[in-house]
Amino acid sequence: KNQVEQSPQSLIILEGKNCTLQCNYTVSPFSNLRWYKQDTGRGPVSLTIMTFSENTKSNGRYTATLDADTKQSSLHITASQLSDSASYICVVSDRGSTLGRLYFGRGTQLTVWP
Amino acid sequence: EADIYQTPRYLVIGTGKKITLECSQTMGHDKMYWYQQDPGMELHLIHYSYGVNSTEKGDLSSESTVSRIRTEHFPLTLESARPSHTSQYLCASSRDTDQETQYFGPGTRLLVL
Repeated sequence: KNQVEQSPQSLIILEGKNCTLQCNYTVSPFSNLRWYKQDTGRGPVSLTIMTFSENTKSNGRYTATLDADTKQSSLHITASQLSDSASYICVVSDRGSTLGRLYFGRGTQLTVWP
Repeated sequence: EADIYQTPRYLVIGTGKKITLECSQTMGHDKMYWYQQDPGMELHLIHYSYGVNSTEKGDLSSESTVSRIRTEHFPLTLESARPSHTSQYLCASSRDTDQETQYFGPGTRLLVL
């Protein structure tokens, strides 16, 4: 069964600290993996996208890694800011259909305290 | 900032009422989607469209219906709202290419009393 599991479910850190969010998936055949940021009451916004051949991708203070062999990804946030408080969702796409089927994780709820 | 819009942003309505959630995008995207998301849970695809006059049901069974008469417009309709329909509804769009990123609207939070 194609699934995307994220951990931790929630995380609280102090402003300025770093953190790492995890994503494990069983989606096959794999096409790409995206990390989205979803602010409360808003739609998700894409942060990074990685294909099978990419093992790291950065977007400002966000750095995503991908290990396609172990089917794991992480999102590292450096020098956190209050505006980083949001849900971070891991989304994996398969190659098995013309729709480009997306599998969503439940997200990690990050809270950054001053 | 994606050019995809949803109205209303919040809706409180009584059981049995007919409602239409609006979604429009100005990016010229052929593919459009409707997702349902409950608090703390993953997004579930309920409808999608490849283009004008094309609509398909998604993975999650839904009593809602959709239409795609114009490329930029993808409204979702509930003929008779029930409390079980209370949720957040997110509209998204993407280019024709299979692996293109989906751009999401801000969502509609629906509460059915």
